[in-house]
Amino acid sequence: GDSVTQMEGPVTLSEEAFLTINCTYTATGYPSLFWYVQYPGEGLQLLLKATKADDKGSNKGFEATYRKETTSFHLEKGSVQVSDSAVYFCALSEWGATNKLIFGTGTLLAVQP
Amino acid sequence: EPEVTQTPSHQVTQMGQEVILHCVPISNHLYFYWYRQILGQKVEFLVSFYNNEISEKSEIFDDQFSVERPDGSNFTLKIRSTKLEDSAMYFCASSEWRDRASPLHFGNGTRLTVT
Repeated sequence: GDSVTQMEGPVTLSEEAFLTINCTYTATGYPSLFWYVQYPGEGLQLLLKATKADDKGSNKGFEATYRKETTSFHLEKGSVQVSDSAVYFCALSEWGATNKLIFGTGTLLAVQP
Repeated sequence: EPEVTQTPSHQVTQMGQEVILHCVPISNHLYFYWYRQILGQKVEFLVSFYNNEISEKSEIFDDQFSVERPDGSNFTLKIRSTKLEDSAMYFCASSEWRDRASPLHFGNGTRLTVT
């Protein structure tokens, strides 16, 4: 079945460092791809999405590009802040189905001042 | 911005007891979901619900689980006889449309602890 694999955490960075969180997927069809973020004590919030190959999703300085050739959707940010500390989840929604999401395991990001 | 609201935020129950988790989806949304996250594990799909019936459910969603939309605004998850392994964070979500690009909006979750 379809699945999402993302890099294990925790990822610890200093403020203003460059962030990459890797995400790859396996899908039989043509999924939509998402990044969700979970701040401490809160629910899952949609960060960005991409629905077709070469689409770039972006929000709050974060970006991810849908790469069909490498089945990847890596999350990047040029300069992280302490307030970006959270758990980041990569997810896909299968082609032709409901918008049921399949999640990766989540990556904890800790940004130190 | 409209939110999905879940209550309670934390529920403690004894093994074998029934528990009902409550959710109020965003008012103009038509599709509703329950997910769960066991500590340290993936967020897992449980069930989706549309037009007063289950549209899809996972293997986890066995006969111990049920969902209901009792009054047009609430969306509940019932576990009839809780087990220790039901301890998890349960997330409710809703979406406006069913297509794969329509994002899900999640609540803050209910942490269920079964003792």
